[in-house]
Amino acid sequence: QLQLQESGPGLVKPSETLSLTCGVSGGSISSSSDYWGWIRQPPGKGLEWIVSTYNSGSTYYNASLKSRVTITLDTSKNVFSLKLNSVTAADTAVYYCATRQYIQSNYFDHWGQGILVTVST
Amino acid sequence: ETVLTQSPATLSLSPGERATLSCRASENVKNYLAWYQQIPGQAPRLLIYDASNRATGVPARFSGSGSGTDFTLTISSLEPEDFAIYYCQQRENWITFGQGTRLEIK
Repeated sequence: QLQLQESGPGLVKPSETLSLTCGVSGGSISSSSDYWGWIRQPPGKGLEWIVSTYNSGSTYYNASLKSRVTITLDTSKNVFSLKLNSVTAADTAVYYCATRQYIQSNYFDHWGQGILVTVST
Repeated sequence: ETVLTQSPATLSLSPGERATLSCRASENVKNYLAWYQQIPGQAPRLLIYDASNRATGVPARFSGSGSGTDFTLTISSLEPEDFAIYYCQQRENWITFGQGTRLEIK
């Protein structure tokens, strides 16, 4: 069973780039799933989808974030990563990485525990 | 953007009671809707996908129904561990989530 773990800085300054990595264990990123994503949740608020990507390279973005988001898969390290540039306080949130393993549809049945990223000076 | 509106915002019930949660889409999402459970401080857990399919390991007391724009999550008899926040998510038009329904103990 796949396990996901987010890592990265918990504090980012305004206007800088937020960089997070999701480590995948219990299977290979190139064969255990073909669909990977990032979702965030501002403190006390609901879930917001950020981006999803397939192993094929097809990538889909939340339109409101598209200009600032990059997602990459690194099969050699068995991780996938998120970069969000030009951050503001509105980007403060718990960031989750997620994937699907037991279903074919584009939902997320495996999630990391989440990492709180605060944007502040 | 497909907006998902969940109701009620908060539902107060007792263990053993039946819970009915609603999710309404601003446009037709066919049956491409999922339900997640989130206990505060934890990651969401997939319960139901494609409107009515239970995810692996989800108890039979959870069921989903609906298609098009109106969907329902039903918990037939509430257990103490079911008191949480529930979100719906659609995948027909990119991905969006509802704002959540908080299920609290009465």
